[in-house]
Amino acid sequence: DIQMTQSPSTLSASVGDRVTITCRASQSISIWLAWYQQKPGKAPNLLIYKASSLEGGVPSRFSGSGSGTEFTLTISSLQPDDFATYYCQQYTSYRTFGQGTKVEV
Amino acid sequence: EVQLVQSGAEVKKPGESLKISCKGSGYSFTNYWIGWVRQMPGKGLEWMGIIYPDDSNTRYSPSFQGQVTISADKSISTAYLQWSSLKASDTAMYYCARPGEPYTAISASDIWGQGTIVTVSS
Repeated sequence: DIQMTQSPSTLSASVGDRVTITCRASQSISIWLAWYQQKPGKAPNLLIYKASSLEGGVPSRFSGSGSGTEFTLTISSLQPDDFATYYCQQYTSYRTFGQGTKVEV
Repeated sequence: EVQLVQSGAEVKKPGESLKISCKGSGYSFTNYWIGWVRQMPGKGLEWMGIIYPDDSNTRYSPSFQGQVTISADKSISTAYLQWSSLKASDTAMYYCARPGEPYTAISASDIWGQGTIVTVSS
């Protein structure tokens, strides 16, 4: 079972800040990593797939990097709509989510 | 429009059985895997399992193997998640989700259902 360790669990930030969230896999997952944003009461929304590919319609201030076991989600300039919880997910033939990072004011 | 529409909220008693559904539309249902995700109140996302509707090939997370059954009826483009004997700890929101690429399970989920909330209480 591949474990995903996401950090931090909570992040306090302000509008305009550069925000970085890290996700570490317990074994290599190549580039099979996605990042999702979830707002309260809503289904998750795909932001990044294949570690660094931006999903259509997602603002370019979101970016992803990494391969193997270390991955990063970066928001270059935090906007009011970005306060939410973010999850990484590995999607080899099985899938595992990280514990989530809540980005708050 | 590609969408997954889930069945409505359920309130059940411990020990009861339950089957919730997820109907796909706007795409070739048999060509895409569909997965299920649990979110307990105030907690994170947990991947439960995934099914390929064309041949019902199913893979379960070890945490959910034997606890739930995932199935699909391709004739009506619907996937299911079922319990034979619910527990209070099954209280959660359940989402279905479809990977973005056909034929492969190795693809991120770009289409999600709206969620089905299941409450189990005596």
